[in-house]
Amino acid sequence: QIQLLQSGPEVKKPGTSVKVSCKASGFTFINSAVQWVRQARGQRLEWIGWIVVRSGNTKYAQKFQERVTMTRDMSASTATLELSSLGSEDTAIYYCAVYYYDDNDEYNDHWGQGTLVTVSS
Amino acid sequence: EIVLTQSPATLSLSPGERATLSCRASQSVSSYLAWYQHKPGQAPRLLIYDASNRATGVPARFSGSGYATDFTLTISSLEPEDFAVYYCQQRINLFTFGGGTKVEIK
Repeated sequence: QIQLLQSGPEVKKPGTSVKVSCKASGFTFINSAVQWVRQARGQRLEWIGWIVVRSGNTKYAQKFQERVTMTRDMSASTATLELSSLGSEDTAIYYCAVYYYDDNDEYNDHWGQGTLVTVSS
Repeated sequence: EIVLTQSPATLSLSPGERATLSCRASQSVSSYLAWYQHKPGQAPRLLIYDASNRATGVPARFSGSGYATDFTLTISSLEPEDFAVYYCQQRINLFTFGGGTKVEIK
């Protein structure tokens, strides 16, 4: 069974950093790419960036370029998002999502359950 | 950054009716466009990728079309579970999402 299990909710002070992890199971993690997306209450989905698991190559949205880092640990089948210099506008649900072609050449797209990050003084 | 504009913002329809959702890109994205369905309290669900390919398990009433800058998601006959927000996402360059179309019950 394909599963993406994200870390639990976080409450952070402004100016600090947060890490959200995403543990994959049920598929070949190394053959996938992971995108990170967030949604603030009542707002649209917002793309943060992606990481190609095999190479570690990353692409970030310009808005987050200076304060986001995406990494992966292939041995632990885990991807991690770190966002620094947090402000109240970063309060949102953060999702990881993987996409890949499986052995039957079928396109797969699976999402984690979401992690609520609250930034408050 | 490529901007995606979705219209209408809200679509009020009854079950059984046809829904036509539009997504326009500020520059060509070729066929690198996906459609997602998003319901409150759930993760988004991929419906269509590469403009017109249905994702695994997606009912045939969902179809996608378009190329370059103009794309359409069509739901041929709305089922009760189809009332949700729909987002398009371009994947040609630094992915972006559109603003969403809410399909609500009339």
